[in-house]
Amino acid sequence: NAGVTQTPKFRILKIGQSMTLQCTQDMNHNYMYWYRQDPGMGLKLIYYSVGAGITDKGEVPNGYNVSRSTTEDFPLRLELAAPSQTSVYFCASSYVSNEQFFGPGTRLTVL
Amino acid sequence: QKEVEQNSGPLSVPEGAIASLNCTYSDRVSQSFFWYRQYSGKSPELIMSIYSNGDKEDGRFTAQLNKASQYVSLLIRDSQPSDSATYLCAVIEIDDYKLSFGAGTTVTVRA
Repeated sequence: NAGVTQTPKFRILKIGQSMTLQCTQDMNHNYMYWYRQDPGMGLKLIYYSVGAGITDKGEVPNGYNVSRSTTEDFPLRLELAAPSQTSVYFCASSYVSNEQFFGPGTRLTVL
Repeated sequence: QKEVEQNSGPLSVPEGAIASLNCTYSDRVSQSFFWYRQYSGKSPELIMSIYSNGDKEDGRFTAQLNKASQYVSLLIRDSQPSDSATYLCAVIEIDDYKLSFGAGTTVTVRA
């Protein structure tokens, strides 16, 4: 099993550009999550999904969108990128709602 | 969003010593508690989970939970240089889907 995979690993965006961060898991987990982590800070939940077709906002959803058309994939869309979205983004999944497994992360810089 | 606070660190311990990490949380309905280890530039990795009051041991790691005091701790015995990392405390309410993370405590083990 590859576990949770994320692409790209690194990306530099200009202000106002948009992009999609990809997340795929091969563990047949129902629950999937997107977090951002700023330097020296813990993880902040952006969006989560409890199954295909179901998504909900987390603590910091503004400026982001998600979709969950399949169990495996949970892409995160950034529209109109802003410098405040410079961060490391982690996708995670879990079979039950607590023991989460994390992907390797995407380091995003918005200039 | 519940508050999760960890001792601020950084925590420097000599090799072979015990590292003690503390975490407090703001509400009494939190039911499940987790410790994640995050190496610099890497994703969080689950190392311990604890669900009931008392101690839980796994190798050199011991988690301690006191729900009445809203306190969970992690002890690392016989600390090794490979234990140098940031340790994140996370809590979740029963029937909730969302983990709340503390900001983390950075541990450095001196050889």
